[in-house]
Amino acid sequence: GDSVTQMEGPVTLSEEACLTINCTYTATGYPSLFWYVQYPGEGLQLLLKATKADDKGSNKGFEATYRKETTSFHLEKGSVQVSDSAVYFCALSELGAQKLVFGQGTRLTINP
Amino acid sequence: GAGVSQTPSNKVTEKGKYVELRCDPISGHTALYWYRQSLGQGPEFLIYFQGTGAADDSGLPNDRFFAVRPEGSVSTLKIQRTERGDSAVYLCASSSSGTSYNEQFFGPGTRLTVL
Repeated sequence: GDSVTQMEGPVTLSEEACLTINCTYTATGYPSLFWYVQYPGEGLQLLLKATKADDKGSNKGFEATYRKETTSFHLEKGSVQVSDSAVYFCALSELGAQKLVFGQGTRLTINP
Repeated sequence: GAGVSQTPSNKVTEKGKYVELRCDPISGHTALYWYRQSLGQGPEFLIYFQGTGAADDSGLPNDRFFAVRPEGSVSTLKIQRTERGDSAVYLCASSSSGTSYNEQFFGPGTRLTVL
């Protein structure tokens, strides 16, 4: 079945550092790919998405590119802030299906 | 406008008891989803409604779990004969239509603890 594997955390960085959180997926078809974020004390919210190969999703300085050849959707940011501290979830949704399949999450802590 | 709301925010129950968890989706959203999130894990899909009908219930772990959405808006997740392994955060989400690329908007969750 479909699955998502994320880089294990926790990840701790200093402010202004460069961030990459790896995400790879296994799917039978052509899924849409998502990054969701959960800030402390808040619910899950969509950060960015890409619906087809080579699409780049971006939001709040974060980017991720849908790479079909490597089945990856790595999350990147050039300069992180303390306010980026949160748990990040990579997820997919197969074409024709509606449910999201999530990775296990990566906890990110940014120190000032 | 109002987001997805879930009640109660916390529920503590004893093993063997029956519980109901409620979800109010965003007004006008036809698709509604239930997920379960165990500590340190990503959410796992339970069931998806399109309107009043359960279009996909493949994630329900066993027949102790049941969900309804009788008027196509509010949904209730029902768990019979609760077990300690049912302890988790139960998340509800809604979207404007049930397509794979539509954003799902999540509620804050109900934390269920079975003693």
